[in-house]
Amino acid sequence: KNQVEQSPQSLIILEGKNCTLQCNYTVSPFSNLRWYKQDTGRGPVSLTIMTFSENTKSNGRYTATLDADTKQSSLHITASQLSDSASYICVVSAYAGNNRKLIWGLGTSLAVNP
Amino acid sequence: GAGVSQSPRYKVAKRGQDVALRCDPISGHVSLFWYQQALGQGPEFLTYFQNEAQLDKSGLPSDRFFAERPEGSVSTLKIQRTQQEDSAVYLCASSLATDPSYNEQFFGPGTRLTVL
Repeated sequence: KNQVEQSPQSLIILEGKNCTLQCNYTVSPFSNLRWYKQDTGRGPVSLTIMTFSENTKSNGRYTATLDADTKQSSLHITASQLSDSASYICVVSAYAGNNRKLIWGLGTSLAVNP
Repeated sequence: GAGVSQSPRYKVAKRGQDVALRCDPISGHVSLFWYQQALGQGPEFLTYFQNEAQLDKSGLPSDRFFAERPEGSVSTLKIQRTQQEDSAVYLCASSLATDPSYNEQFFGPGTRLTVL
């Protein structure tokens, strides 16, 4: 069964600190993996998208890694800011016949405190 | 507008009432998705349109849920005889390409539906 699991479920850090969020997936055949940031009361916003051949991709203070062999991805946030407080969702795209399906994780809720 | 818009932003319905949720995608975007997001959960896929064609409705939870996009632009998600378990945020997303699983999806702010 195609699944995406994220950890931790929630995280609290102090402003200025770094943190790493994890995503493990059992999706096959794999197409791509993306990380979204969802602020409270808003729709998700794409941070990164990676294909099978990409190991790392950065977007400002956000760096995503992908290990397609172990089916793991991480999202590293550097020098956290209060505005980073949000839910971070890992989404994996799988081939399904002529289409691709998106399998969504439940997200990690990050709180950055002053 | 520049982004995906949804209306209303908040909707309170009495159990058994019918509701209609509207999505205005980014102009020119071919693909349109509807998602349901329960509190504290990730979005769950409901249905997908490519232009006016509804290519996938496998995520619709029951026959009380109906979506349409008659002219390939604005879409409406209709829920008939609402139940309390329908309470959630309903997100709409659009994508420029016909292969939305690779290309970026742009999300609207969502409609928060509360069924009393």
